[in-house]
Amino acid sequence: DADVTQTPRNRITKTGKRIMLECSQTKGHDRMYWYRQDPGLGLQLIYYSFDVKDINKGEISDGYSVSRQAQAKFSLSLESAIPNQTALYFCATSEGGTGFNEQFFGPGTRLTVL
Amino acid sequence: KQEVTQIPAALSVPEGENLVLNCSFTDSAIYNLQWFRQDPGKGLTSLLLIQSSQREQTSGRLNASLDKSSGRSTLYIAASQPGDSATYLCAVNQAGTALIFGKGTTLSVSS
Repeated sequence: DADVTQTPRNRITKTGKRIMLECSQTKGHDRMYWYRQDPGLGLQLIYYSFDVKDINKGEISDGYSVSRQAQAKFSLSLESAIPNQTALYFCATSEGGTGFNEQFFGPGTRLTVL
Repeated sequence: KQEVTQIPAALSVPEGENLVLNCSFTDSAIYNLQWFRQDPGKGLTSLLLIQSSQREQTSGRLNASLDKSSGRSTLYIAASQPGDSATYLCAVNQAGTALIFGKGTTLSVSS
């Protein structure tokens, strides 16, 4: 079984709808991240969480919110989806501690907003 | 603001060639640098992680080097194979944030 899983893998929705993307991990890592990838732009950080009580905004957090329900679960919500949020979304995890450790990525969720 | 650049954007080579992918970053105050592989429409697979105190890391046919002072890293792939065809991403980990990515180099290895 994959260590980092994302659901759904593909989603098509309409402008104005609320969407939730979910991420689960079995690696026992404290830190979790959400990134989005757009063609030609690379990956950009949306939100990250260093433990269950910690939530931090990344460089492109506007229009998104997150919830860290447990150590193993980190969900991303689009409150009112818009077409320019069409992208590939990745969840990632890493160990905690004093350093910054290797990050492991999920398979991605392809989101299309019509 | 940290910026990560990867050159070339695309590269085509025949099978068996040794090749080098380049990554540069503007701020040398990094914790580590990570190389990833991404297949079309798929997730990212971590290839190598180099801590800021290290000069290089090796895994099989892959060797990554880091020169923090000059803001450069290279990924060397020996004896390339068609299965190596993918996009290779470089990312730096800077204190207080998560990874900052380059846009990638898309490699095509022909048989």
